[in-house]
Amino acid sequence: DAGITQSPRHKVTETGTPVTLRCHQTENHRYMYWYRQDPGHGLRLIHYSYGVKDTDKGEVSDGYSVSRSKTEDFLLTLESATSSQTSVYFCAISVEGNTEAFFGQGTRLTVV
Amino acid sequence: AQSVTQLGSHVSVSEGALVLLRCNYSSSVPPYLFWYVQYPNQGLQLLLKYTSAATLVKGINGFEAEFKKSETSFHLTKPSAHMSDAAEYFCAVSEGSGDKLTFGTGTRLAVRP
Repeated sequence: DAGITQSPRHKVTETGTPVTLRCHQTENHRYMYWYRQDPGHGLRLIHYSYGVKDTDKGEVSDGYSVSRSKTEDFLLTLESATSSQTSVYFCAISVEGNTEAFFGQGTRLTVV
Repeated sequence: AQSVTQLGSHVSVSEGALVLLRCNYSSSVPPYLFWYVQYPNQGLQLLLKYTSAATLVKGINGFEAEFKKSETSFHLTKPSAHMSDAAEYFCAVSEGSGDKLTFGTGTRLAVRP
């Protein structure tokens, strides 16, 4: 168990509202990632972080921002949610010296 | 840039039959390759990984994969399918420790009784 907690697990929100998803890890690993999963697309990287205040964009970053003010928390914000952001969002961490990533249980977000 | 292609979005096999899920990759550097499994309404679980050691990699639940550089492939196999293997499987590639993973589009495996 990599000690990853995502919150909330489910959320329904209205178009145009801001939404923040939280990823919390218990073991202070440097590398954290946000992915979205959509049918036919697999998992696509939104943003990633290599440490506190060190973040960068992934392949589908438009409409999303992130913040990492503490090692253990990586926040994903949809500034103004759109229906195209309806998806399942996964947080992942990678352990220093290892190559694989460990995933949280996901957040199912519906934008209506 | 790295990429992964998974041939066949849906694969159906009979219980006890061979499972073969295909993955081809593209990478500008020697790749690290992974197979993950996702059961309904769950996160992704690592099945196995290739990190430039043995080309035949054994994973959990009886799965294995073979890295073939000449074919840029990393196909996943299991000799005998079980009903509990029904899930979605993702192949992924990265360029090293801490590097972000790039995923294929996934293959949903159905196992018929």
